[in-house]
Amino acid sequence: SQQGEEDPQALSIQEGENATMNCSYKTSINNLQWYRQNSGRGLVHLILIRSNEREKHSGRLRVTLDTSKKSSSLLITASRAADTASYFCAKSQGGSEKLVFGKGMKLTVNP
Amino acid sequence: DTGVSQDPRHKITKRGQNVTFRCDPISEHNRLYWYRQTLGQGPEFLTYFQNEAQLEKSRLLSDRFSAERPKGSFSTLEIQRTEQGDSAMYLCASTDGPGGGSYNEQFFGPGTRLTVL
Repeated sequence: SQQGEEDPQALSIQEGENATMNCSYKTSINNLQWYRQNSGRGLVHLILIRSNEREKHSGRLRVTLDTSKKSSSLLITASRAADTASYFCAKSQGGSEKLVFGKGMKLTVNP
Repeated sequence: DTGVSQDPRHKITKRGQNVTFRCDPISEHNRLYWYRQTLGQGPEFLTYFQNEAQLEKSRLLSDRFSAERPKGSFSTLEIQRTEQGDSAMYLCASTDGPGGGSYNEQFFGPGTRLTVL
């Protein structure tokens, strides 16, 4: 089963607006990663946040992690049409090498 | 730019046929992963190699699936006696970070889209 569920499942906004995506998980994590996928393409890594970190930034991206609530959020500021894609959170846990992905959130940024 | 490459990009086959996909990881990446992604879902882990050793396998990897990574370089994923339920995107990823692949960014290839008729 997949953990790391994104919320909302779909979001449509206008260019220039901010987009916030949330991710919840059930069991403790080593880290949580966010990926972007353009339609029919491979995944592109955005940010990795470790379990002992609370916030990370990369350009227009800001990720927060609340381990007490078992949740993370990805904020995209000043969105662009090129940000239109599906976004996934993926968690790593225990000694396993695998990443467990959520179902993803489809973001549409209208010009 | 030599990222992760996968071949073929698309494969259409008839039910019951065997198919084989190839993944070339980023040079010198010792960890290689296979994932499967169906429409509207996130990728699901199939298997993991460290160098040539297959160290982790998902229960999704039935006995019709086999993966190899001879010499610790490229990897192949074979599906025997394909079924319509095998239709999906098959993604390969690699990494070479300390502490294990799940502690670091995984670099994904473009995927192989399989359609079983």
